Amino acid sequence: DSGVTQTPKHLITATGQRVTLRCSPRSGDLSVYWYQQSLDQGLQFLIQYYNGEERAKGNILERFSAQQFPDLHSELNLSSLELGDSALYFCASSASGTGNEQFFGPGTRLTVL
Amino acid sequence: AQSVTQPDIHITVSEGASLELRCNYSYGATPYLFWYVQSPGQGLQLLLKYFSGDTLVQGIKGFEAEFKRSQSSFNLRKPSVHWSDAAEYFCAVGPPYGNKLVFGAGTILRVKS
Repeated sequence: DSGVTQTPKHLITATGQRVTLRCSPRSGDLSVYWYQQSLDQGLQFLIQYYNGEERAKGNILERFSAQQFPDLHSELNLSSLELGDSALYFCASSASGTGNEQFFGPGTRLTVL
Repeated sequence: AQSVTQPDIHITVSEGASLELRCNYSYGATPYLFWYVQSPGQGLQLLLKYFSGDTLVQGIKGFEAEFKRSQSSFNLRKPSVHWSDAAEYFCAVGPPYGNKLVFGAGTILRVKS
């Protein structure tokens, strides 16, 4: 158990819908990262927040957005969902914003029908 | 651009045999290097990391990895594989003062008895 929690574990929805994935980092960790794992793209970095502020952006679509709240939990919002958004979404956390090992949560499996 | 290559998509070894999983990276400077393991339906667990210093690093579950700067490689090894090691293994690189991890495509390890 990494100490990073993600909810829900599974999510099934339809195209065009909007969903919110939630992540709670390890106690004391200030940074939260979101990754997408799909069969065709592999594991890809989406976005990082550090202590409430966006720190780095990766291959995140404009339909996706994230935020980190004062209690340091983070949410990833996915809207206008397409079939290709079906993937495993991981959250990771680290103690600081740079250069530290990241601890991954169990992931949320999103299926878009 | 940063990239990580894991040339072996699948590897099968007999229980008790030795294991080496290959990882090569392309990076402007010496990055931070990581190996993660993902069991079916699970998140990613950090096996070991290299930041600097001794190029042979020890990790959990009896794994070790050797950083070879001249070959831009960070191969993972285990002297004797157990059936419970069957999983997918990911090599990742990250900038020393940055944030996002770049992952390889993964190597699926199958252990036969």
